[in-house]
Amino acid sequence: AQSVTQLDSQVPVFEEAPVELRCNYSSSVSVYLFWYVQYPNQGLQLLLKYLSGSTLVKGINGFEAEFNKSQTSFHLRKPSVHISDTAEYFCAVSEKLVWGGSEKLVFGKGTKLTVNP
Amino acid sequence: GAVVSQHPSRVICKSGTSVKIECRSLDFQATTMFWYRQFPKKSLMLMATSNEGSKATYEQGVEKDKFLINHASLTLSTLTVTSAHPEDSSFYICSARGLADPHDTQYFGPGTRLTVL
Repeated sequence: AQSVTQLDSQVPVFEEAPVELRCNYSSSVSVYLFWYVQYPNQGLQLLLKYLSGSTLVKGINGFEAEFNKSQTSFHLRKPSVHISDTAEYFCAVSEKLVWGGSEKLVFGKGTKLTVNP
Repeated sequence: GAVVSQHPSRVICKSGTSVKIECRSLDFQATTMFWYRQFPKKSLMLMATSNEGSKATYEQGVEKDKFLINHASLTLSTLTVTSAHPEDSSFYICSARGLADPHDTQYFGPGTRLTVL
């Protein structure tokens, strides 16, 4: 079974600083990888996803993530954050099935990003 | 595209009553819908997976008789919390996966805050 570890529960940064939110996963098979963002009292919004191909994935709101198979990581980055990026960020993984579909999503525990002025 | 709605967004009920939460995919056909529960400052816990026209598959430890799930059409799934108790108070989030996207991109609803008095 797959698992996801988000190493930092909270990440405080100043506005316009770069940020990296770390995510490592464990799986015995190939996986699909996702980052979701959750604003207070809201559902989850898909930021970006890695299915195959280029290991550098660009998403919405200026975020990007890089899939590193050897390190089983999928860290999320943004070169310059805004106050509005303050939210909870979840990394998630699903295992690929033989026919191309996937198993259920497994989420990490989340990283609370706080952007200070 | 890929918008998922939930209704109601917030509900308060008395202990012992039943509450129904609706999840709709507004602009795509959702062959699979998922129901999650999120505790404060915690990650999402998958409760069950429902496929249109068939019985839901519940995760271990989730009472199927307490959390009734119906996925009667390709755009609607409902979760009914029967005989609700204060410990059922939580944030319930649904997600939907479309036939056109078998690689398991789940699109999430905005969530329903349930408070049982």
